[in-house]
Amino acid sequence: SQQGEEDPQALSIQEGENATMNCSYKTSINNLQWYRQNSGRGLVHLILIRSNEREKHSGRLRVTLDTSKKSSSLLITASRAADTASYFCATDSYSGSARQLTFGSGTQLTVLP
Amino acid sequence: SQTIHQWPATLVQPVGSPLSLECTVEGTSNPNLYWYRQAAGRGLQLLFYSVGIGQISSEVPQNLSASRPQDRQFILSSKKLLLSDSGFYLCAWRERGQGKGELFFGEGSRLTVL
Repeated sequence: SQQGEEDPQALSIQEGENATMNCSYKTSINNLQWYRQNSGRGLVHLILIRSNEREKHSGRLRVTLDTSKKSSSLLITASRAADTASYFCATDSYSGSARQLTFGSGTQLTVLP
Repeated sequence: SQTIHQWPATLVQPVGSPLSLECTVEGTSNPNLYWYRQAAGRGLQLLFYSVGIGQISSEVPQNLSASRPQDRQFILSSKKLLLSDSGFYLCAWRERGQGKGELFFGEGSRLTVL
């Protein structure tokens, strides 16, 4: 089952603008991660935020986590055409004998030059 | 450095034919291994995961099976493919236990069942 759900499903912006994507989840987590997927390729890990953290930065990426609302946001500042991709949040929690990542359905970001 | 190889990249198979997708990881030992399926324009669905040789856990009932004959080899199989097996299959690994937690993905295998 999919725990994380991204919002919006699709986002189109101009180069230089900021892009914000949101993720909501349902159960308790160890951490939340964001991934990027170029069309037809594998996913690439962007950033991980632990359940006891509220905000994290990596280059032009800023992630927030609100465990009380079970939500997270990914902000990409000063977007570039090369940022065009699908972005997925994934919640990390224990299921059975192993930690598992459960992915949302993603946000398709298009950055127009 | 660690690398993950997945093949074949694309394949077109008739309904009822067998399937074998292979994934190998290099540069690490005792990884957790995963098979995901992604339908067009959708998120990832976890199919199988493995915490060790011969240890396979299935997340959803289906027409597929997985095997881990060696520590760094993960195989996805089917004896008879269905139309609904079409999709983009992704292999992934990560450190076991309390590691960093991120998944490292292969480049995917696109399966079309006709």
